[in-house]
Order: sequence, then structure tokens, then C-alpha cells
Amino acid sequence: KNEVEQSPQNLTAQEGEFITINCSYSVGISALHWLQQHPGGGIVSLFMLSSGKKKHGRLIATINIQEKHSSLHITASHPRDSAVYICAADNNNDMRFGAGTRLTVKP
Amino acid sequence: DGGITQSPKYLFRKEGQNVTLSCEQNLNHDAMYWYRQDPGQGLRLIYYSQIVNDFQKGDIAEGYSVSREKKESFPLTVTSAQKNPTAFYLCASSKRTGVTEAFFGQGTRLTVV
Repeated sequence: KNEVEQSPQNLTAQEGEFITINCSYSVGISALHWLQQHPGGGIVSLFMLSSGKKKHGRLIATINIQEKHSSLHITASHPRDSAVYICAADNNNDMRFGAGTRLTVKP
Repeated sequence: DGGITQSPKYLFRKEGQNVTLSCEQNLNHDAMYWYRQDPGQGLRLIYYSQIVNDFQKGDIAEGYSVSREKKESFPLTVTSAQKNPTAFYLCASSKRTGVTEAFFGQGTRLTVV
């Protein structure tokens, strides 16, 4: 079993839909990261969480430390949100990555 | 602006040649990391360094070498001993200890033909 599991692996949505991507981890963490990888491969760091909830524009990330679970939500999704979203469990910079969720948002 | 820079974004090499990927940061971070990503798989740790002139093997170090002569720079050499070098390579950096944010480079896609 992988230390970091993401679901779903692939997700197709219509523009405007509310998106949720889930991440469960089995390792101890000091923080959890959400990354966005664009089709060309470039990676952008979206959030680093150690508790609670963070919001940036249409993106919201939550974490439940007791349940070892985090979610990334995208409100009012747009085709430009199409990317691979990666969850990473960070144990004092010992990073373990999920396999990613490929999101396609159709106009 | 502070950040972490990888170059080049795309790299092509012939089989049997060594190739060096560049990673530079101006964040004054002590720790730097190299990861590899294969299609459908998560990123895996190749090497990491927590201080100048010191580095440690990660989960998949075979066929790779690194150096850390300067705090700002952590180049990765993909040697001819690496059996499947074609992959996406990602560099990251962070402060040495504690709950600190990791910064990621844009990545280098290496294709060996």
C-alpha cells in the first residue's frame, strides 16, 4: 500500500462544477502540500497545510490530522484548471508523494 | 524575487551519454532535493542534501550522482549507468528543519534516445 493515496486517479468535469480531490496518508507529517502540474510538466506549489483550512482564490485545501486526510476543492472550475494535482506528505522535509489526480475540465 | 530555478525545461540526450541537470536557489535554503517522476507514478526521491558538501542517497539513487559545492546549487548528473533515464526530474529546496515550506522548481523533462 502506498504511503500517500489520492483519489480519484482521473477526473473529468464540466466547466463550473465543484471539484474535490482527496488525499489519504499513512505516515506522520509535519505538513501536507498540494501541487499542480501542468501539461508541460511544470510544477506549482498551491498550498502547504499543517492544520485546518486554507483558501486561495477558487482553491480551498483542508486537512484532518486525526483522520490523516486532506482534500483539495476547486469552485467554479474552468478549463484552465486542467492539470495533474499532486498531494505530498511532508515529515520534516522527508516528502512522500501521491501518484496524482489528472483533472480535465471541459468547456 | 527569491525562487528555485531548474534548467533546461526540456533536454534530449543520446543513450550512453552522461547529462547534468541544473538546480539553483536564491532562498538561502540549507536543504535541497532531487525527485524523479515516471508516468502514472508519484515523485520519488533520488538524492538530498541538508548542508553544503554533504548529501545522502534517496530511494532510487542508482545511476545518479550529485554535488553540493555551494549552498545555492545542487546539480544532478544522470549517468550512463541509469537504465531508464527518460523521466521528469524535479528539484526542491527548504529550510533545514521544522515545519517549513518546500519550494519546487519547474522541472526538467529528460528524453534519452
